[in-house]
Amino acid sequence: AQKVTQAQTEISVVEKEDVTLDCVYETRDTTYYLFWYKQPPSGELVFLIRRNSFDEQNEISGRYSWNFQKSTSSFNFTITASQVVDSAVYFCALRVSYNTDKLIFGTGTRLQVFP
Amino acid sequence: DAGITQSPRYKITETGRQVTLMCHQTWSHSYMFWYRQDLGHGLRLIYYSAAADITDKGEVPDGYVVSRSKTENFPLTLESATRSQTSVYFCASSDTGGDSQPQHFGDGTRLSIL
Repeated sequence: AQKVTQAQTEISVVEKEDVTLDCVYETRDTTYYLFWYKQPPSGELVFLIRRNSFDEQNEISGRYSWNFQKSTSSFNFTITASQVVDSAVYFCALRVSYNTDKLIFGTGTRLQVFP
Repeated sequence: DAGITQSPRYKITETGRQVTLMCHQTWSHSYMFWYRQDLGHGLRLIYYSAAADITDKGEVPDGYVVSRSKTENFPLTLESATRSQTSVYFCASSDTGGDSQPQHFGDGTRLSIL
């Protein structure tokens, strides 16, 4: 079975703190893709990153970084020096089948950054 | 560059009525998807389509009907709305091209069924 678990329902931090959002996935496929999406209070879903199962390099994009570890089936997302604009719900997702492109989402983590 | 648009943005209807949510994309993406978002469940796939005239069920298809006569449109119909279908509905599209392109989402339709 394929599954994505985001155990942190809600996280609150004060501006400039670093925060890590956890994502644990389950799949038997050897080829798969992991995604992170951001949903700000306005409600739209914004694509942040895609990572395939053969690329375990960590990625950094400005204040955002992602740590992919196949050994622990995790794809964690860290925001450095958080800002109020980072307040949103963040979803981790798994793509399990090459032919159908279906995504399986975690339940999301609501991040609140206070000034 | 319109991208992917959903209409209406908000809809209130009554139990038992039929309601159709529209989704239109301008990228000519082959894949299109409908999700519903509910608290505690994240996004769950209702139906998806790999191309025009090809549709398949997702995780929660009961009570919904889809069609895809044209590549750019993927309407979702609730044939007889129930209160449990009150939700936020998102349409998405993607063009896999062998490199698992990300799905791009519309802004959502907030549907309330009284």
